[in-house]
Amino acid sequence: AQKITQTQPGMFVQEKEAVTLDCTYDTSDPSYGLFWYKQPSSGEMIFLIYQGSYDQQNATEGRYSLNFQKARKSANLVISASQLGDSAMYFCAIPKHQGGKLIFGQGTELSVKP
Amino acid sequence: GAVVSQHPSRVICKSGTSVKIECRSLDFQATTMFWYRQFPKQSLMLMATSNEGSKATYEQGVEKDKFLINHASLTLSTLTVTSAHPEDSSFYICSARGFAGLTDTQYFGPGTRLTVL
Repeated sequence: AQKITQTQPGMFVQEKEAVTLDCTYDTSDPSYGLFWYKQPSSGEMIFLIYQGSYDQQNATEGRYSLNFQKARKSANLVISASQLGDSAMYFCAIPKHQGGKLIFGQGTELSVKP
Repeated sequence: GAVVSQHPSRVICKSGTSVKIECRSLDFQATTMFWYRQFPKQSLMLMATSNEGSKATYEQGVEKDKFLINHASLTLSTLTVTSAHPEDSSFYICSARGFAGLTDTQYFGPGTRLTVL
């Protein structure tokens, strides 16, 4: 069964610095994808970045990048040049086999300090 | 990107009443929508999968008679919390399955905060 783990309940980072949010997963599917979402205090889920298991390169989207290590089953999110607006909950997710269901990690609450 | 709306955004009701939450995909057709529930400081828990024109598929432990789901059209799914009680107070989020390029993804609504008094 799919499992996704985020071991950092809370993280602090200084404005303008980079931060890495950890995510490890377990799946029996030969092909899969990993998603990262941001949830600000308003509650909306904002899609950030996606990594396919067979993608040759680590995904990047602006200040977001994925440190994808398939052998270690980890897909850490790196946020560069942190901004105050980055303060939010961050969730890693993996599809539950077919059908599009997503299984979410426990989340990491990121606080950016000025 | 694709837009999903939810209505209402916030609702307060008395114990014993029923509450209906709507989820709409505004600019694409979604044959599959999902309903999640989230308690404060916790992760999203999938409640059910809503398929257009067929019965919803509920996750283990979710009472189908309490959380009624209807997916009457390709752009609308509704979740009705029947005979709501204070323990049903939570943040309910829907999502619609779609494609971002070739990526099978989900587009989330803004959520509905339910408070049962």
